[in-house]
Amino acid sequence: DIQMTQSPSSLSASVGDRVTITCRASQGISVYLAWYQQKPGKVPKLLIQSAFILQSGVPSRFSGSYSGTDFALTISSLQPEDVATYYCQNYNSVPRTFGQGTKVEIK
Amino acid sequence: QVQLVQSGSELKKPGASVIISCKASGYTFTTYAMDWVRQAPGQGLEWMGWINTNTGNPTYAPDFTGRFVFSLDTSVNTAYLQINTLKAEDTAVYYCARGQVFLDLWGQGTLVTVSS
Repeated sequence: DIQMTQSPSSLSASVGDRVTITCRASQGISVYLAWYQQKPGKVPKLLIQSAFILQSGVPSRFSGSYSGTDFALTISSLQPEDVATYYCQNYNSVPRTFGQGTKVEIK
Repeated sequence: QVQLVQSGSELKKPGASVIISCKASGYTFTTYAMDWVRQAPGQGLEWMGWINTNTGNPTYAPDFTGRFVFSLDTSVNTAYLQINTLKAEDTAVYYCARGQVFLDLWGQGTLVTVSS
């Protein structure tokens, strides 16, 4: 099975900061990676698919990138409404594992 | 509108069974697979597996074989998750999600509490 290792597990940053979350796959998954945002007490929401394709309606401050088996989710200017836990997911193969999650808070 | 509506919270005793429903509307049910995701209290997301809504063929993640059953009723655009022989550690929110690859539409979640 492919393991997805996310880091950091949590971070605290100031409003306006640039924030980057990384996700490493244990083997190649091409671009078959999605990022989800789960706000406290809410349902997960798809932000990015195919490593870098932003879902419709997602603010442009969110972006995805990749190099080999390393993937990144970047928030260019952190906003209070971005407080959430972010998860990556491999969908290259079954089981379509999620990363452990990264909790983002405002400092 | 396009949505997935799940059945309500359940409180069950250990050893019992539970069935969670997930009704799709606003899109052609058989165009997309249905995935199931578990989230234990305070924990992350766990992918349980998916069911092909054309064939009814389920695929289970390794940790969800045996007691977990995915099924469909395409006449009412509904997917089901049955969990048998419930254990305390099955206490979680269970989500259905439209997908087969990435998950672009989620149900609201169903809380299953297993307690004696």
